[in-house]
Amino acid sequence: QLQLQESGPGLVKPSETLSLTCTVSGGSISSISYYWGWIRQPPGKGLEWVGSIDYSGSTYYNPSLKSRVTMSVDTSKNQFSLNLRSVTAADTAIYYCAREAFGSGSYFDYWGRGSLVTVSS
Amino acid sequence: SYELTQPPSVSVSPGHTARITCSGDALPKKYAYWYQQKSGQAPVLVIYEDNIRPSGIPERFSGSSSGPMATLTISGAQVEDEADYYCYSIDSSGDYRVFGGGTKLTVL
Repeated sequence: QLQLQESGPGLVKPSETLSLTCTVSGGSISSISYYWGWIRQPPGKGLEWVGSIDYSGSTYYNPSLKSRVTMSVDTSKNQFSLNLRSVTAADTAIYYCAREAFGSGSYFDYWGRGSLVTVSS
Repeated sequence: SYELTQPPSVSVSPGHTARITCSGDALPKKYAYWYQQKSGQAPVLVIYEDNIRPSGIPERFSGSSSGPMATLTISGAQVEDEADYYCYSIDSSGDYRVFGGGTKLTVL
């Protein structure tokens, strides 16, 4: 059974960089059939796709966040990561990592439990 | 930027049918997907590729799509179906993933 687990600081100061890592177990991050994504959810609000990356490092980012986001992958550790620069209170959210499956379309089929990140001084 | 539009809320009595809609310009050419999110939990996929139920999802959940609108139907809604529901798709370029704003389903 595939499992994903987010890890990283729960509190980040304004203007600093939010960094999260997702560790994948029960399957290989190097599969060519999948992308790996980050989705966030501000408290009491809806889901927002942040970005997706494949095993080779090819990325797609949400246009509204593209100037501040970098994603990377470490196949040796079966992990992928998110860096979000210059954060503000508006970046406070639960951050989920998820596997993105490609069939006739694309969708997130396995999700982590989520990691709450608060931006505050 | 591409958007998917859902009603903020839908109410239904137990045992009755709930329908949640999702509209988007690219839906005539791109599949719609539906997620259920209960309070404090990660989203769960309940419909993929417009109308396919993943294993383990009750038969009362079904999906359809026509033109720019996709619909999630819950036939005989149960109290345990009370949750937020999000549609999801990809834009016409195939590069950008989008969630709808979410619909809060109340069953009472």
